[in-house]
Amino acid sequence: QKEVEQNSGPLSVPEGAIASLNCTYSDRVSQSFFWYRQYSGKSPELIMSIYSNGDKEDGRFTAQLNKASQYVSLLIRDSQPSDSATYLCAVNGYSSASKIIFGSGTRLSIRP
Amino acid sequence: NAGVTQTPKFQVLKTGQSMTLQCAQDMNHNSMYWYRQDPGMGLRLIYYSASEGTTDKGEVPNGYNVSRLNKREFSLRLESAAPSQTSVYFCASSVLAGSTDTQYFGPGTRLTVL
Repeated sequence: QKEVEQNSGPLSVPEGAIASLNCTYSDRVSQSFFWYRQYSGKSPELIMSIYSNGDKEDGRFTAQLNKASQYVSLLIRDSQPSDSATYLCAVNGYSSASKIIFGSGTRLSIRP
Repeated sequence: NAGVTQTPKFQVLKTGQSMTLQCAQDMNHNSMYWYRQDPGMGLRLIYYSASEGTTDKGEVPNGYNVSRLNKREFSLRLESAAPSQTSVYFCASSVLAGSTDTQYFGPGTRLTVL
């Protein structure tokens, strides 16, 4: 079992709809969870981080964390063509950055 | 601020050649990291440096060496390149190597080993 799993996609969503991206992780002691966006040929950039159970909202983005079920999700409301990218889920261990594990990413395509 | 810079942007090597990838950050961050990204895979940590003067292995350190030259610079060396090291290499930095700390990535180096 991979430590951090994501559906590779592509996930195709119409413009203006909600895009839902999911990620599961295997290490129960994980404490920190990140969503990075990566445009083709570019470097990853952080869009959301979440550390406690529940929802965290930032503009059109909402991260949801459920530690009991070991999943973290990212919702993108009012999807725009500029949201088309690969979204990487990253999970960090209890204390050390050396434990950051990235998922393989989900490709999201927003169709006009 | 330039953020995190990497050189070169592209490189082609023959099997057995050596090279050093350079990384520098101007954000006064303490921690720096080297990742590789292969098609269809996420980022995998090669080495990291939690602070100036320290380096530690990540998930996939074999075939690589690193040097934390000073607080700003962290280099990655391939002593004898192999085709399996064909990848995109990203350098990143963060304020601290803590579990909640955000990492900022450089633009990447695309390396091909023939």
